[in-house]
Amino acid sequence: DAKTTQPPSMDCAEGRAANLPCNHSTISGNEYVYWYRQIHSQGPQYIIHGLKNNETNEMASLIITEDRKSSTLILPHATLRDTAVYYCIAGSSNTGKLIFGQGTTLQVKP
Amino acid sequence: DSGVTQTPKHLITATGQRVTLRCSPRSGDLSVYWYQQSLDQGLQFLIQYYNGEERAKGNILERFSAQQFPDLHSELNLSSLELGDSALYFCASSKEGRRLLSGANVLTFGAGSRLTVL
Repeated sequence: DAKTTQPPSMDCAEGRAANLPCNHSTISGNEYVYWYRQIHSQGPQYIIHGLKNNETNEMASLIITEDRKSSTLILPHATLRDTAVYYCIAGSSNTGKLIFGQGTTLQVKP
Repeated sequence: DSGVTQTPKHLITATGQRVTLRCSPRSGDLSVYWYQQSLDQGLQFLIQYYNGEERAKGNILERFSAQQFPDLHSELNLSSLELGDSALYFCASSKEGRRLLSGANVLTFGAGSRLTVL
């Protein structure tokens, strides 16, 4: 499984876009990029995933660079409830297990 | 409600004891994954089962064991408990889990079981 690197913490003003970067320079061609978040001690919540193309759903957008070595998760209008630890994961194509790193703690401030 | 059910939600026990955590996957999911989250560590992958068979193993101690039953629910058994085993234990499930030919494999997590060892 490819290793991912994320900043340990970020702040964002409520109502503004939150852009969370992730580096995955050793990702292999068939490994997806997944984003999850964990609010306090709840179970991790799936946000979005992608392989090569940019993706958007009701929660967020995922921008993947052309060389696939990095990606950015965008929360378009952050709210206080988006305060959480955000995990970027390069998924295993063998078994499907996900290896979590330390993630980025996003603090949304009023 | 994610559809993944974990019981019990909270458990307090003493050192040296044995406990069993239970997980019912989402309907239709064949794979079950167990994770441990301690205060000083992140989410650690323990073990994965696919349709009753062990599929992948992570940092699971020898004192811990798991199995997946024919009805696809899974149990994580923790024995000879130590103070350091106090943690949140999460179960996740997914449709896939065998060698993936293509496509993503989204894991859905349960709410967790909080184990306190005194």
